[in-house]
Amino acid sequence: GAVVSQHPSWVICKSGTSVKIECRSLDFQATTMFWYRQFPKQSLMLMATSNEGSKATYEQGVEKDKFLINHASLTLSTLTVTSAHPEDSSFYICSARALYQETQYFGPGTRLLVL
Amino acid sequence: SQQGEEDPQALSIQEGENATMNCSYKTSINNLQWYRQNSGRGLVHLILIRSNEREKHSGRLRVTLDTSKKSSSLLITASRAADTASYFCATDGIQGAQKLVFGQGTRLTINP
Repeated sequence: GAVVSQHPSWVICKSGTSVKIECRSLDFQATTMFWYRQFPKQSLMLMATSNEGSKATYEQGVEKDKFLINHASLTLSTLTVTSAHPEDSSFYICSARALYQETQYFGPGTRLLVL
Repeated sequence: SQQGEEDPQALSIQEGENATMNCSYKTSINNLQWYRQNSGRGLVHLILIRSNEREKHSGRLRVTLDTSKKSSSLLITASRAADTASYFCATDGIQGAQKLVFGQGTRLTINP
């Protein structure tokens, strides 16, 4: 199956700093990428949808100025958590989908801990 | 918004037994997908069933879909310890945005 990678796999940062998470599709062109967050023992919550070359579409309640998403190429999307606070600590997962394909392929996730 | 509800929330069975998980949803769908997540890891796509399909098989997996009841089930036959994971259903709406809405998941434990 298609492979999606995320980097870093985990990060610990101080409150107030910004953290960038990369999501890459390794063997296919991802026209659409999705960003989710998952709290312990809970389900995935979609944060935003990004199409290559255009602005991301954010879900209701997700601050676009807080979670900056860039999808500059067909294989890379980045999520930047700006001025991170402890409540932003979570597991962030991306997924990628190729044009005309129904299946989303998920990355391994990035665990963020803000102290 | 989360529209999928899964039951049971947790299931513990002996190795070799069959495991059945159910998922209900609220709105019309284009397809429904099942994913597995091992603890602290990403999601692995298991199977996709379209709204015009009623049953689908993949190895030891059997998925059914009843659009009239807005429900789906995932059956894992002859369970193995390696099947221990959380299982999520996700619905893809008919609007074409292909945004998956995930259920709350079932935590499956296979006891050796």
